[in-house]
Amino acid sequence: EIVLTQSPGTLSLSPGEGATLSCRASQSVSRTYLAWYQQRPGQAPRLLIYGVSSRAAGIPDRFSGSGSGTDFTLTINRLEPEDFAVYFCQQYGNSPWTFGQGTEVEIK
Amino acid sequence: EVQLLESGGGLVQPGGSLRLSCVASGLDFSNYDMHWVRLAPGKGPEWVSAIGGTVAGTYYTDSVKGRFTISRDNSKSTLFLQMNSLRAEDTAIYYCGKRNCSGGTCYPIDHWGQGTLVTVSS
Repeated sequence: EIVLTQSPGTLSLSPGEGATLSCRASQSVSRTYLAWYQQRPGQAPRLLIYGVSSRAAGIPDRFSGSGSGTDFTLTINRLEPEDFAVYFCQQYGNSPWTFGQGTEVEIK
Repeated sequence: EVQLLESGGGLVQPGGSLRLSCVASGLDFSNYDMHWVRLAPGKGPEWVSAIGGTVAGTYYTDSVKGRFTISRDNSKSTLFLQMNSLRAEDTAIYYCGKRNCSGGTCYPIDHWGQGTLVTVSS
């Protein structure tokens, strides 16, 4: 099973600032099948990024994904109030699919 | 618009059973793999189970094998999860989700339901 470790656990930032979230895999992720999700309180997860760097439908271009192999990054430029949420990475190339434990982006 | 609506959660004693349902609309249900993912308090999401579309192979995470059974009724656009021998550690919000594979490329879950809460406690 591929273990995904996200860092930091919490990121305290102000609106307008940029955020960099990290996801490290215990082994190489197959076929670049790495995704990022956003989850706001009381809501279902929302797909942001798939295939490491492709934005899902309707996702603004301030969200971007990068990385390869075992190290991946989600970058959020110019945080908007609605971006303060929890973010999870997920690998969907190897069974069982696994998720990171999440990074909370909170308002400073 | 794709909509997924879960139901069937609730409070159950350890060792008990529940059957979750997920009704889908706005999509050709049989064309998609369907998944269950759970989110326990203070933890990251955990993939639980999956079932293929027209070729309905089934897949489970190790911790639920032999206890949970995933199934689907394509005529009713409905996904099920039969959960037996429930344990305290199964307590979580359970989400259904759809994913697509096409042209040799597979994608992650792109639509999720709102979830149904399962609480296993005496």
